[in-house]
Amino acid sequence: GDSVTQMEGPVTLSEEAFLTINCTYTATGYPSLFWYVQYPGEGLQLLLKATKADDKGSNKGFEATYRKETTSFHLEKGSVQVSDSAVYFCALSDSNSGYALNFGKGTSLLVTP
Amino acid sequence: DGGITQSPKYLFRKEGQNVTLSCEQNLNHDAMYWYRQDPGQGLRLIYYSQIVNDFQKGDIAEGYSVSREKKESFPLTVTSAQKNPTAFYLCASSTITARTDTQYFGPGTRLTVL
Repeated sequence: GDSVTQMEGPVTLSEEAFLTINCTYTATGYPSLFWYVQYPGEGLQLLLKATKADDKGSNKGFEATYRKETTSFHLEKGSVQVSDSAVYFCALSDSNSGYALNFGKGTSLLVTP
Repeated sequence: DGGITQSPKYLFRKEGQNVTLSCEQNLNHDAMYWYRQDPGQGLRLIYYSQIVNDFQKGDIAEGYSVSREKKESFPLTVTSAQKNPTAFYLCASSTITARTDTQYFGPGTRLTVL
């Protein structure tokens, strides 16, 4: 079945450092890809998405490009802030279950001043 | 304000009891979903509904039940048959079930079995 693999955390960075969180996927169809962010004790918020190959999603300085040839959707940010500390989830839309989201395990990010 | 509400925020259950988690949306979305989140794990799909009076099992439906009598409501019942129900439960909705559609999440209910 479809699946998402993302890098294990926690990731600890200093403020203004460059962030990369790797995400790769396996899918039988042609999924859309998403990054969601979760702050402590809260639900998930959409960070960005891409719906076709070579699309770049971007929001709040975060970017990710849908790479069909490498089945990847890595999240990047050029300069992280303390307020970016959260858990980040990569997900794909699963055509086998009504386009419900199939999630990776999440990557915890801590940004220190 | 449009959005998804879940209640209660915290719920405690004794062993052997059934409990019902509420999920309401005023976004006029057709599709609704329930996910379970365990520490250090991604979210796993319990049930989903694409239209009123219809719903489908997800990956971990055993021990759970749902209903979809109204478009805006999708309650989840955690039954006594669920072996390990302590978890964070998240409800989501989307306009339609489509490959490109974004799901919007509620704030979650944390269920603890005593």
